Amino acid sequence: AQKITQTQPGMFVQEKEAVTLDCTYDTSDPSYGLFWYKQPSSGEMIFLIYQGSYDQQNATEGRYSLNFQKARKSANLVISASQLGDSSMYFCAMSRRGGGNKLTFGTGTQLKVEL
Amino acid sequence: GAVVSQHPSWVICKSGTSVKIECRSLDFQATTMFWYRQFPKQSLMLMATSNEGSKATYEQGVEKDKFLINHASLTLSTLTVTSAHPEDSSFYICSAGGQSARDTQYFGPGTRLTVL
Repeated sequence: AQKITQTQPGMFVQEKEAVTLDCTYDTSDPSYGLFWYKQPSSGEMIFLIYQGSYDQQNATEGRYSLNFQKARKSANLVISASQLGDSSMYFCAMSRRGGGNKLTFGTGTQLKVEL
Repeated sequence: GAVVSQHPSWVICKSGTSVKIECRSLDFQATTMFWYRQFPKQSLMLMATSNEGSKATYEQGVEKDKFLINHASLTLSTLTVTSAHPEDSSFYICSAGGQSARDTQYFGPGTRLTVL
């Protein structure tokens, strides 16, 4: 069975600083995908970044980067130069091979960016 | 990214009534869509996989007769909550996208259901 763990229920960061949101996972599948989504108070899930289990390089998308450490089974999200608009709930998720891309989600981290 | 819509965005109904929620992929065809449920301050839990032209597959513990799923076309899946009760009040959200583990899933804006 797959499991995603996010150990930080809440995080604070000052504007313009970088912040790392932790995510560890557990799976026996050799092929899987790791995703980060942002969920503002409106409820919509906004895709941020993707990392494949066989990707050699860490994924980057603008101010978002994914620190993928396969041996440690971690996929931390790094947000650089935080902005007030980054305040939101962030979910880490993993897809399953052969599951039609079903996603298993972590419990989420509520990020608050302060002035 | 791809666009997925949901309708209605919120609904309030009386206990015992049925509620239908629509999920549409607007700019792509989706043979598979997923339905999730999210309780307040909790994570998303997968309820079922909606397969175009065939029966949906449900996750363990999800009542098939309670949550009816129909995927009649490549752009539309519907979730009907039958004989809704207050404990069914939740945020229901669908997703669609590619079928491989590498494909990004795009989510609809969600439907907030309140059963009185």
